[in-house]
Amino acid sequence: DADVTQTPRNRITKTGKRIMLECSQTKGHDRMYWYRQDPGLGLRLIYYSFDVKDINKGEISDGYSVSRQAQAKFSLSLESAIPNQTALYFCATGAKTGLRTGELFFGEGSRLTVL
Amino acid sequence: AQSVTQLDSQVPVFEEAPVELRCNYSSSVSVYLFWYVQYPNQGLQLLLKYLSGSTLVKGINGFEAEFNKSQTSFHLRKPSVHISDTAEYFCAVSEETSGSRLTFGEGTQLTVNP
Repeated sequence: DADVTQTPRNRITKTGKRIMLECSQTKGHDRMYWYRQDPGLGLRLIYYSFDVKDINKGEISDGYSVSRQAQAKFSLSLESAIPNQTALYFCATGAKTGLRTGELFFGEGSRLTVL
Repeated sequence: AQSVTQLDSQVPVFEEAPVELRCNYSSSVSVYLFWYVQYPNQGLQLLLKYLSGSTLVKGINGFEAEFNKSQTSFHLRKPSVHISDTAEYFCAVSEETSGSRLTFGEGTQLTVNP
């Protein structure tokens, strides 16, 4: 089983619909992240969480919200989806400190298409 | 604020040729530097990282990178590539004070042709 699991893997929806992307991890990491990937733009950080009670905005948080339901679960919501939110979304986890500093572990991605 | 620029969006090479993927960063403080690889239809995985110490770091699959502080660069190299190295490669930076909050470059698509 994958250490970082994202659901759904693919989703097509319509403008104005509410969408939730879910992420769960078995790595025991405190830190969790949501990124979106667009061709030619790399990965951009949407939200991140360093523990259950800590939620932080990334560089492109407008139009998104998150919930850290437990150490192992971090979900991303689009309250009213719009076409320019069509992208590949990645969840990632990371350890707090030490030799693993900066090493993130990624899920396989959730491809979202907003029509 | 930190930023990363990958100087080539696409790099086509022939099998067994050497390759260099270029990365420059900008930051006003000390940084950690990373290269991640994304194979088709997969998530990203760590290729190598520089935290401190020797400026030449070796990673998986025969890749290595050299941290050059004066040039603010962290170029990725491999002396002889294989077809299986075809993938997208991302350079990333985090500032020591920001913890594990990575900023990624735009990505470089490496295509290895027979």
